Amino acid sequence: SQKIEQNSEALNIQEGKTATLTCNYTNYSPAYLQWYRQDPGRGPVFLLLIRENEKEKRKERLKVTFDTTLKQSLFHITASQPADSATYLCAGMDSSYKLIFGSGTRLLVRP
Amino acid sequence: EAQVTQNPRYLITVTGKKLTVTCSQNMNHEYMSWYRQDPGLGLRQIYYSMNVEVTDKGDVPEGYKVSRKEKRNFPLILESPSPNQTSLYFCASSSPGLARDEQFFGPGTRLTVL
Repeated sequence: SQKIEQNSEALNIQEGKTATLTCNYTNYSPAYLQWYRQDPGRGPVFLLLIRENEKEKRKERLKVTFDTTLKQSLFHITASQPADSATYLCAGMDSSYKLIFGSGTRLLVRP
Repeated sequence: EAQVTQNPRYLITVTGKKLTVTCSQNMNHEYMSWYRQDPGLGLRQIYYSMNVEVTDKGDVPEGYKVSRKEKRNFPLILESPSPNQTSLYFCASSSPGLARDEQFFGPGTRLTVL
């Protein structure tokens, strides 16, 4: 079955370091991948989108990559801050317009 | 303010009692969808709609119905709720100009079926 997989273990890092989150997909060919941030009890908030023909996308301290050979996207937050602590979701949409989400990775940034 | 609204935000009901969760967006979006979120399973798409009167099943449509009679509204109907439908539900919409790219999510509806 089609799957988007993210590391279920929380990522715990020191403030100021770069956080790197991984998203892998199987049995699936997403036309693009999206990354969202979700805080407890709230709806996800869109951060970045990267298309299959793009290698890398940046927005302020955020960077996302898309490797169709490895079937993987990496999401980076540079100079991380405690306010970046949240759960980050990866999602993919294929040509049928069905959106599949990963289960998310929780990021904890220590002061 | 551009937003997606859902009502009710919290609902406790009993098995078999029909209920409707409303979703409305004020951004003139064509694409709307419903998700449920369960611990360890992430967000799973229930139904989606690419336009008025056009709906399609997502990954977990069993036990749910939707309708899209107006562009702004996309209600989720549970004809006979069961305890396994206890979950956190999100409605989302996206911009027609961006081919359903960025999803705007509502605040969520926490449903408990006893």
